[in-house]
Amino acid sequence: SQQGEEDPQALSIQEGENATMNCSYKTSINNLQWYRQNSGRGLVHLILIRSNEREKHSGRLRVTLDTSKKSSSLLITASRAADTASYFCATQRNYQLTFGKGTKLSVIP
Amino acid sequence: DVKVTQSSRYLVKRTGEKVFLECVQDMDHENMFWYRQDPGLGLRLIYFSYDVKMKEKGDIPEGYSVSREKKERFSLILESASTNQTSMYLCASSYPGTSGGRGIDEQYFGPGTRLTVT
Repeated sequence: SQQGEEDPQALSIQEGENATMNCSYKTSINNLQWYRQNSGRGLVHLILIRSNEREKHSGRLRVTLDTSKKSSSLLITASRAADTASYFCATQRNYQLTFGKGTKLSVIP
Repeated sequence: DVKVTQSSRYLVKRTGEKVFLECVQDMDHENMFWYRQDPGLGLRLIYFSYDVKMKEKGDIPEGYSVSREKKERFSLILESASTNQTSMYLCASSYPGTSGGRGIDEQYFGPGTRLTVT
């Protein structure tokens, strides 16, 4: 069953701007993960936040998790053209990762 | 570097054929997964395995089977391919999670196999 749902479906920004993507989910989770997929390729893991954490940073990435609202956000600061990709959130529970449909990010040079 | 390889990047098969998709990982991961990815539907889990010879159904197992005879190899089998199985197939592997219980942490994905059934 589909759990994570990203918002917006598509986002277009200028290079140097920040990009924010949101993810909502329905049931309790062990952790929430964000992945990036370049066109037609496999997914690459970006960051994992556990259910008892509220915020995590990795380089230009910042992830927040609000378990009371069952939502997460991914912020990419100072975006680059190379950040152009689809971004997926995935909620982890019972041996399974359940992926959302993704946000397609376009960063215009 | 962790490597997950898939036997083919592109595959074209005819309706009714038996199709084997192979996935191999080199990190001694216990967990292995098969997903399919379709436009507008995202990634959907077909089957996963948390140990050799163990398998569990995911969200969409109908029309598929799997085999895990060795730890590093996880095969997806389409017993009789149909046109609605045309899709991108992604394999992934991971260690058991540190979240406790039946957890999964980071998954490592292969490059994908784009299967067309005509």
